[in-house]
Amino acid sequence: AQTVTQSQPEMSVQEAETVTLSCTYDTSENNYYLFWYKQPPSRQMILVIRQEAYKQQNATENRFSVNFQKAAKSFSLKISDSQLGDTAMYFCAFKSGGSNYKLTFGKGTLLTVNP
Amino acid sequence: SAVISQKPSRDICQRGTSLTIQCQVDSQVTMMFWYRQQPGQSLTLIATANQGSEATYESGFVIDKFPISRPNLTFSTLTVSNMSPEDSSIYLCSVSPGQLNEKLFFGSGTQLSVL
Repeated sequence: AQTVTQSQPEMSVQEAETVTLSCTYDTSENNYYLFWYKQPPSRQMILVIRQEAYKQQNATENRFSVNFQKAAKSFSLKISDSQLGDTAMYFCAFKSGGSNYKLTFGKGTLLTVNP
Repeated sequence: SAVISQKPSRDICQRGTSLTIQCQVDSQVTMMFWYRQQPGQSLTLIATANQGSEATYESGFVIDKFPISRPNLTFSTLTVSNMSPEDSSIYLCSVSPGQLNEKLFFGSGTQLSVL
């Protein structure tokens, strides 16, 4: 079974600075997908970024980028120019590349952006 | 993207009663899922809601406790039966619009408290 580990329960960053959230995972599969979801106090789960394991190039979405290290099974999220609205729980998630739709989530990192 | 409406947004229920949560999507979607997020925890998949057939439950979840309906491609319900305080959680509906490895969208969840 796959596992996803987020070793940082809480983090904080000053507005406009850069912060990196860590995620490691364990799988024996070669084809899979990795995600970062954001959950603000509204409870809405919002997809931040997605990475296909077969792609070597790291995914980027505006101020959000990942550092995907397949051999190390590491998938960290970098948030640049942090904004107050980035304050939320961030969940790392894994999905197999086959017909299984199931997402396996990490326990989350609570990020607080301070003014 | 898919817009998901989930009702109720929150409820406080008495032990032994049942609550039905509704999930309405603004477009037809291939797959619908129900997740549980216990206090301070990550998300765990309860089941996949299959249109026209019985739901597929994950290990640790059973139909008698969490009956699910999916009468069409835009709507599903999850019932939490014979509730106990241990059922106090956030319940989230999630959908995948089409392709197998497309992103998952989430509703804003139902905050359930059982007294």
